Amino acid sequence: KAGVTQTPRYLIKTRGQQVTLSCSPISGHRSVSWYQQTPGQGLQFLFEYFSETQRNKGNFPGRFSGRQFSNSRSEMNVSTLELGDSALYLCASSIKGGTEAFFGQGTRLTVV
Amino acid sequence: AQKITQTQPGMFVQEKEAVTLDCTYDTSDQSYGLFWYKQPSSGEMIFLIYQGSYDEQNATEGRYSLNFQKARKSANLVISASQLGDSAMYFCAIPLSWRGSNYKLTFGKGTLLTVNP
Repeated sequence: KAGVTQTPRYLIKTRGQQVTLSCSPISGHRSVSWYQQTPGQGLQFLFEYFSETQRNKGNFPGRFSGRQFSNSRSEMNVSTLELGDSALYLCASSIKGGTEAFFGQGTRLTVV
Repeated sequence: AQKITQTQPGMFVQEKEAVTLDCTYDTSDQSYGLFWYKQPSSGEMIFLIYQGSYDEQNATEGRYSLNFQKARKSANLVISASQLGDSAMYFCAIPLSWRGSNYKLTFGKGTLLTVNP
């Protein structure tokens, strides 16, 4: 059974650009969550999608957005990138809220 | 709001010895779950073990076990017979709503475990 797949693994972008990250959950999992991990702030929840609907959102500016498709794959988008957006972005999938979440290997974004 | 405290930024252990990683939590929920994840340098968060607040027995998964003390709000991870591959960051986490429709993990700051040969 394939795990959670995140693409790309590494990304370098310039300030002001935008970026789209992709997450393919485990087959059958309908909940997808996104987290940002930085050395200073640790792991912070971005948002969660279930059946194409955003159910939860963390305390991030509107530059951070996401969506989920009918096949449960999810994308997150960051517009007008800032240096502080450099982080490891982790995606997690679960069958439904309340069960353990399985994480992908993350996308390491560097903004220069 | 949920809160997780991991007071050990770093821990060292000799190979084949046992080690305990501390985790205390704060939640107003009566029913909740607690998770431990391992994050090697590759970045992936690997699920290790979970404990439900109403589980009568402490959770165990192979070499991992939870020392769950509900009254003290502590859920310490015990790794027995440490191996070099156990060197990683370890995170304790609690979801926003256990078995509910919402799912949002609050993580601690983590403990960096180094296993020495």
